[in-house]
Amino acid sequence: NAGVTQTPKFQVLKTGQSMTLQCAQDMNHNSMYWYRQDPGMGLRLIYYSASEGTTDKGEVPNGYNVSRLNKREFSLRLESAAPSQTSVYFCATHTYGRVNEQYFGPGTRLTVT
Amino acid sequence: QKEVEQDPGPLSVPEGAIVSLNCTYSNSAFQYFMWYRQYSRKGPELLMYTYSSGNKEDGRFTAQVDKSSKYISLFIRDSQPSDSATYLCAMSRRSQGNLIFGKGTKLSVKP
Repeated sequence: NAGVTQTPKFQVLKTGQSMTLQCAQDMNHNSMYWYRQDPGMGLRLIYYSASEGTTDKGEVPNGYNVSRLNKREFSLRLESAAPSQTSVYFCATHTYGRVNEQYFGPGTRLTVT
Repeated sequence: QKEVEQDPGPLSVPEGAIVSLNCTYSNSAFQYFMWYRQYSRKGPELLMYTYSSGNKEDGRFTAQVDKSSKYISLFIRDSQPSDSATYLCAMSRRSQGNLIFGKGTKLSVKP
């Protein structure tokens, strides 16, 4: 039972390159989230998917796209990376209606040069 | 004014001390209050959850919510070096809604 897994763990990109961050969960949760965490800024919501087939913007969606591939997987894509997207990215999940029990993945550390 | 305010610290205490961590908030519609613990270079893990007002105790940890003052607290009794981490408060208006996080308080417990 792996919980919430994220790949890759680390990534270095050059400005303008694209990449996809992957998140998978085996907890049978409906709702999935992508956050970024920056020093002094706390956790900020990028996109979320309340249930399979739906996605919505969070606080800081610009420069990102998401895909809810199925119930288990939720990916985050950077089409043209910018240095401002250097951050630690976390995926999180919870059962529908149980926002109080949100579980996080280990994170992806992304550096854009 | 930010919806959730949390003093980033850092906070340094000796082993065995009682630690008090706090958040204030501005939106009276928040109903769900959580505390997460985040060790260095790890993801946040849920520590405690309280619905509406009141206290909740779990071992050495006590969470308090004072909705009249829009103030939540986490107390750690008999603090241990293993409690050294960043503690984030989080809140939500609904059971299916987005969490709003504080910026986190970095705690260091010295042996």
